[in-house]
Amino acid sequence: AQSVAQPEDQVNVAEGNPLTVKCTYSVSGNPYLFWYVQYPNRGLQFLLKYITGDNLVKGSYGFEAEFNKSQTSFHLKKPSALVSDSALYFCAVRGYNAGNNRKLIWGLGTSLAVNP
Amino acid sequence: EAGVTQSPTHLIKTRGQQATLRCSPISGHTSVYWYQQALGLGLQFLLWYDEGEERNRGNFPPRFSGRQFPNYSSELNVNALELEDSALYLCASSLRGEPDGTQYFGPGTRLTVL
Repeated sequence: AQSVAQPEDQVNVAEGNPLTVKCTYSVSGNPYLFWYVQYPNRGLQFLLKYITGDNLVKGSYGFEAEFNKSQTSFHLKKPSALVSDSALYFCAVRGYNAGNNRKLIWGLGTSLAVNP
Repeated sequence: EAGVTQSPTHLIKTRGQQATLRCSPISGHTSVYWYQQALGLGLQFLLWYDEGEERNRGNFPPRFSGRQFPNYSSELNVNALELEDSALYLCASSLRGEPDGTQYFGPGTRLTVL
């Protein structure tokens, strides 16, 4: 079955500390993985993606994500959190429907709160 | 370069009415996706259009429908509105044949059903 899990509904971190937002996935074949961020009352913004190559992917706003095939994980990280990073974060993986049309499978989101 | 645009920003309807939401993709993008984001339910995939045709549909009743125009803009129609249709409706676009499926989102339309 194709799925994405974000095991934490909420993550709290102090400003300046490193942050990690977790994501695990289940999909057949090579995964295409994505992270998006949603600020309050806004649409989603693309952060980064993993298609192939280096397991450490760098994206926007100083975020990076590490692909781990053996653990089927794609955790989002940032070395030093900012209060402005407080937002809702979504992980997604490319999957396929019954007609073999591609689609993105989304996690339920993790709310990140960075405390000053 | 202009991003994905959606209109209206807010829409208030009553039960049983119809709602029409509009989306204009990024220039050059031919695929348009619609999502429903209800409180506490994450992002639910509704519809995917590409080159004017419906390519994929999520688990929503037929009263959710849409279309894509020759200029690749799209409409989402919701008939016989129910209270639980109240949500943020997001539109996204991507390039035709984009193998990795990166989607770029608009700001959304907030639909409130009273």
